[in-house]
Amino acid sequence: KQEVTQIPAALSVPEGENLVLNCSFTDSAIYNLQWFRQDPGKGLTSLLLIQSSQREQTSGRLNASLDKSSGRSTLYIAASQPGDSATYLCAVGNNFNKFYFGSGTKLNVKP
Amino acid sequence: DADVTQTPRNRITKTGKRIMLECSQTKGHDRMYWYRQDPGLGLRLIYYSFDVKDINKGEISDGYSVSRQAQAKFSLSLESAIPNQTALYFCATSDSTSPSSYEQYFGPGTRLTVT
Repeated sequence: KQEVTQIPAALSVPEGENLVLNCSFTDSAIYNLQWFRQDPGKGLTSLLLIQSSQREQTSGRLNASLDKSSGRSTLYIAASQPGDSATYLCAVGNNFNKFYFGSGTKLNVKP
Repeated sequence: DADVTQTPRNRITKTGKRIMLECSQTKGHDRMYWYRQDPGLGLRLIYYSFDVKDINKGEISDGYSVSRQAQAKFSLSLESAIPNQTALYFCATSDSTSPSSYEQYFGPGTRLTVT
């Protein structure tokens, strides 16, 4: 069974700092990896989707990388803002279209 | 209007009651999922459906049942609710025919409390 781990569980940074969130997975036979943002008590908003054949995806200040062989993905957030404060989840999808989620990293960006 | 909707958004019920959570989508996606989220545990898959006639158990299906009434509707039932089913429940969809296939889209969630 795929195990997905996100470290750290919580992170607090001052506004303007660049930061990296980590996601690791145990089975490298993945189809894709998706990063989500979740605000308190709310649903999940998709940020980036990386197919297994890709190395990275970018959207605005966000960049996600994927290294299948080492079972790792990172989400890089440039010039963080207080509005980036949320919980960030990664989900690993397999060829059978099942997804396995990490427990998330709770980010707090201080003004 | 939201592409994936869930009703109700909040529900408090008593132990032993039957409850149904409903999910509807206007995205035209063929695949639908039910997850539950507990604090600090991420999301866990309860059931998933690849089309109306294809329903599969996820990691934690015990105590739950589902019905795919149409391509756009997927309901989750708790036959006899118990307190440890208190959680945030999410419905999600994906499109197997999309070039960026298997990207998941989530509903806003249903907060269920079983007393």
